[in-house]
Amino acid sequence: DAGITQSPRYKITETGRQVTLMCHQTWSHSYMFWYRQDLGHGLRLIYYSAAADITDKGEVPDGYVVSRSKTENFPLTLESATRSQTSVYFCASGPRRDGETQYFGPGTRLLVL
Amino acid sequence: DAKTTQPPSMDCAEGRAANLPCNHSTISGNEYVYWYRQIHSQGPQYIIHGLKNNETNEMASLIITEDRKSSTLILPHATLRDTAVYYCIVSPARNEAQKLVFGQGTRLTINP
Repeated sequence: DAGITQSPRYKITETGRQVTLMCHQTWSHSYMFWYRQDLGHGLRLIYYSAAADITDKGEVPDGYVVSRSKTENFPLTLESATRSQTSVYFCASGPRRDGETQYFGPGTRLLVL
Repeated sequence: DAKTTQPPSMDCAEGRAANLPCNHSTISGNEYVYWYRQIHSQGPQYIIHGLKNNETNEMASLIITEDRKSSTLILPHATLRDTAVYYCIVSPARNEAQKLVFGQGTRLTINP
C-alpha cells in the first residue's frame, strides 16, 4: 500500500542495547524526517535527509544515528539506548518543493528500561 | 524563523464552527503558514497551508490577515473526530529542508 510506514510500532528494550527504528515511504519523496515526542516538549526534530546519502542534524541528534542509502528508507538507530530516549518516534516525508507538506507515519512507541 | 502563539486550549460544540487563532507577528514575507493536527496516539496530520491569500480545502479554511501577522483556522462544522491538538507553524519557503518547528499547539475539544 502507498504511504509511510514505521516498524516496529512498539518496542521495549534495555539500557545499553542498540535499537533500530525503520521508516519506509512509497511516494519517492526527497525529504525524510525523524521526530520524537515527549510530554512537555512536543515534537522535536532529531535528524532529516534531503535525499539519498544526504543527512543532517535536527534539534536533538545526540545518541542517534541515521542513514539513507535508498530514497524510500530512513532508519533511525539508537546506538546505546538510554532511559531518556523513551519516547514516541515519528517519521515523516515530503517532496522537494517550496510550500509543500510533510506526511507522518503512525509512530513507534519505545520504552527503554 | 518566525514563532507562533496559540491559546493552549479551546472548546467548541459539535456542529458549530471552530475558529482557532494563531499569532505570528514576526513572519517574513516568504514564509508559509501551516496547520497540522494530531489526534490522540496518532501521527500529525496536515490540514492546510497558505502564503498570503485565504485558502480552503475539504478539511478547513485558512484566513490570513492582510499584514500576515495572524491567521485563523476554521473547521466549518466540527465533529467529535476533530478533537485534537492543532499546531500552527510558520516555515520558510526556501528550497531546502522543510523543517517544521512544532510548538505546544491548541488542544481543541469538541463537545457533544
